[in-house]
Amino acid sequence: QSALTQPASVSGSPGQSITISCTGTSSDVGANNYVSWYQQHPGKAPNLVIYEVSNRPSGVPDRFSGSKSGNTASLTISGLQAEDEADYYCNSHTTSSSYVFGSGTKVTVL
Amino acid sequence: QVQLVQSGAEVKKPGASVKVSCKASGYIISNHYMHWVRQAPGQGLEWMGQIVPSDGDRSNYAQKFQGRVTMTSDTSTSTVYMELSSLRSEDTAVYYCARDEGHYGDSLYWGQGTLVTVSS
Repeated sequence: QSALTQPASVSGSPGQSITISCTGTSSDVGANNYVSWYQQHPGKAPNLVIYEVSNRPSGVPDRFSGSKSGNTASLTISGLQAEDEADYYCNSHTTSSSYVFGSGTKVTVL
Repeated sequence: QVQLVQSGAEVKKPGASVKVSCKASGYIISNHYMHWVRQAPGQGLEWMGQIVPSDGDRSNYAQKFQGRVTMTSDTSTSTVYMELSSLRSEDTAVYYCARDEGHYGDSLYWGQGTLVTVSS
């Protein structure tokens, strides 16, 4: 199972919106609505920000939103803040009952 | 509160095996799948497999690790284990356990990570 495809880096100024894409196949992203997104700061464990494509866990700011179209899922961060600078990974359940992470995207706040 | 506490860093020689533990507290471990995820230095996250902690230890491994990884549990101590054999230098990574919340791949709680270094 190959990693899902994400852009290596995305940047934006404070207050702007950015979108990170996550492209898979009909065997993973396109097969179901079990796509989650994780934020990871350096040296820390990942932190869940979106599950089931568009649901936010309690405590995650509503600046984070998710969506999906076909084989591509997306994470949008609106009103970008300095603390959003981190690595972001998508994760999808697959038709073989396994999981696959995305390649990761480094978000830089300019 | 839910906590996952992993065992300490390990240094292993190529060809050896390593067994990492993940002790859970604050909930009944048989009620949640547990994932194991690893991250090589400077690299991304990689899913290794999952286990339903119970007397049966039903598990599902990533194809890449089939035959080399074994996930087990001890419900009496609320501990989940991940053993990786035939270690090679490419297995040097931080290994995490992460509790699934029941929505297929959503993990709110993660262990602190265990660094496994494979070096001759």
